[in-house]
Amino acid sequence: EPEVTQTPSHQVTQMGQEVILRCVPISNHLYFYWYRQILGQKVEFLVSFYNNEISEKSEIFDDQFSVERPDGSNFTLKIRSTKLEDSAMYFCASSTQGGSGGQYFGPGTRLLVL
Amino acid sequence: GESVGLHLPTLSVQEGDNSIINCAYSNSASDYFIWYKQESGKGPQFIIDIRSNMDKRQGQRVTVLLNKTVKHLSLQIAATQPGDSAVYFCAENRGAGNMLTFGGGTRLMVKP
Repeated sequence: EPEVTQTPSHQVTQMGQEVILRCVPISNHLYFYWYRQILGQKVEFLVSFYNNEISEKSEIFDDQFSVERPDGSNFTLKIRSTKLEDSAMYFCASSTQGGSGGQYFGPGTRLLVL
Repeated sequence: GESVGLHLPTLSVQEGDNSIINCAYSNSASDYFIWYKQESGKGPQFIIDIRSNMDKRQGQRVTVLLNKTVKHLSLQIAATQPGDSAVYFCAENRGAGNMLTFGGGTRLMVKP
């Protein structure tokens, strides 16, 4: 069964550093998403991406964040100048359609900012 | 404010019993709902979805019920097994757009 994959599984970085989280969505999916989950809290939407552009973003997704689909298979989330409060699990998801299409999640990247 | 919420943070059931996990939502514009299962250290796993033009949908051992009148969603798991132990989230799509809004989660514990 096709799965969303994410790398790395864990990332430790110093405050102020830049990190890039990588995702390979399911191959025939057209919509891509990033969510985060701070430890013990619920999953929060960051951004959705379709047709090479952001289609929706939350208040969390400020200028510190950016997304890119650099080739036909990868989807990345870049966090510039990380802050302590960026420590969380970051999940990538993909779907065949937007709106009422089921989103399938990857295993996540655990980011720890020191 | 508008939110997706869960009635119980923890549900403990005996193996073999049926489980019912509940979720309330407040946005009547929501037209699509998903239940996810999250095991420790893993990403949310899609279980079942339902659109607002339906009130019931069945999968393998799972049933989702949607009551639009009272804005209530439930997940029923038949013959609960130890492998069902996890945190269960409901999520809603609020009409136009792709953002899913997640509830706070219910931890299901299955006693052998």
